[in-house]
Amino acid sequence: DTAVSQTPKYLVTQMGNDKSIKCEQNLGHDTMYWYKQDSKKFLKIMFSYNNKELIINETVPNRFSPKSPDKAHLNLHINSLELGDSAVYFCASSQERWGTNNEQFFGPGTRLTVL
Amino acid sequence: EDKVVQSPLSLVVHEGDTVTLNCSYEVTNFRSLLWYKQEKKAPTFLFMLTSSGIEKKSGRLSSILDKKELFSILNITATQTGDSAIYLCAVEGGSQGNLIFGKGTKLSVKP
Repeated sequence: DTAVSQTPKYLVTQMGNDKSIKCEQNLGHDTMYWYKQDSKKFLKIMFSYNNKELIINETVPNRFSPKSPDKAHLNLHINSLELGDSAVYFCASSQERWGTNNEQFFGPGTRLTVL
Repeated sequence: EDKVVQSPLSLVVHEGDTVTLNCSYEVTNFRSLLWYKQEKKAPTFLFMLTSSGIEKKSGRLSSILDKKELFSILNITATQTGDSAIYLCAVEGGSQGNLIFGKGTKLSVKP
């Protein structure tokens, strides 16, 4: 029944490590997103994919690389983790691209802690 | 299971009308309730509520939380076409302490 799922739910790792967060949606949506939630609860868009193609790549370090093996999956790989990467990362999906007619369905979030 | 339910799912009004959007929740380890406005870009933060009965205001928007009855409302007075958006309610809590999102209310304001 889960619409948008993320794994893992928690991730605790050391600085300098490489880690991945996986996201899957079973809604048949064409567009998927990655957001980073900052300490003020703002949601900052990182990437958006539409039908496996990158359509939005906001100013994020090159250490972050999204990978979309198919339109139901959008994984986030992070190289050389830094303390400032600690945050909650949300995956979301929508039928079409952003717009007032396109509801986004959010995953449960992945809480990343870099020590 | 933790859940956040918003109503109505969609709403069409005319400019100048006042609207009330509802958000009810059943979430363990409640920490806060947040409202976002989603337009053509990422959802933008509107309010964060942690205490019952204290209204937060920003221009024509206001919101209040009732932790006893487990709901919040978002009011928009004198609506404008620019208010057309999807309004998301999210509750911080649950087993992970993350945001749990409702499905949103799609508001359309006609001229």
